[in-house]
Amino acid sequence: QKEVEQDPGPLSVPEGAIVSLNCTYSNSAFQYFMWYRQYSRKGPELLMYTYSSGNKEDGRFTAQVDKSSKYISLFIRDSQPSDSATYLCAIWGAQKLVFGQGTRLTINP
Amino acid sequence: DTEVTQTPKHLVMGMTNKKSLKCEQHMGHRAMYWYKQKAKKPPELMFVYSYEKLSINESVPSRFSPECPNSSLLNLHLHALQPEDSALYLCASSQVARKETQYFGPGTRLLVL
Repeated sequence: QKEVEQDPGPLSVPEGAIVSLNCTYSNSAFQYFMWYRQYSRKGPELLMYTYSSGNKEDGRFTAQVDKSSKYISLFIRDSQPSDSATYLCAIWGAQKLVFGQGTRLTINP
Repeated sequence: DTEVTQTPKHLVMGMTNKKSLKCEQHMGHRAMYWYKQKAKKPPELMFVYSYEKLSINESVPSRFSPECPNSSLLNLHLHALQPEDSALYLCASSQVARKETQYFGPGTRLLVL
């Protein structure tokens, strides 16, 4: 079993839709949870990070962590074509970032 | 300034060449990282420097040689690479006490012929 599982997609939705991106993880000791956005041929950009269960909101983005289920989510409201990118969840464990496979997201105008 | 810069953007090299990748940050971070990313895969950690000292080497072949000359700069020296080493090489930095929040540069796209 991989430490972090993420559906690679691809995921294609119309502009304005609410997008839900998800990851599961296996180690209950993991405490820090990050979401990165990576545009094609660019480096990953730290989008959000959270250290606890619950929700964290930043503009159109909401990160949610459920430690009891070992499940993390990123919601994007009012999605825009500029949100089209690969989204990587990352969890801090064993002194390094453990990344999910990344979900390729396309927002269609 | 929240930027990590990397040069060059692109690099093509033969298997007998020696080249170097450079990374610079001015965020006052004292932890710096090298990652390798293949197409449609997540980044894979190669090396970690803390306070300019190598703290983690993820069993990377010796044809990759990292160097941290000062707190703002990180180099990756390349020698006798193989075509399978072609990838996007990413540099990242963070506060030592906050290694979970890393900031990445744009990467150097390397092609080994």
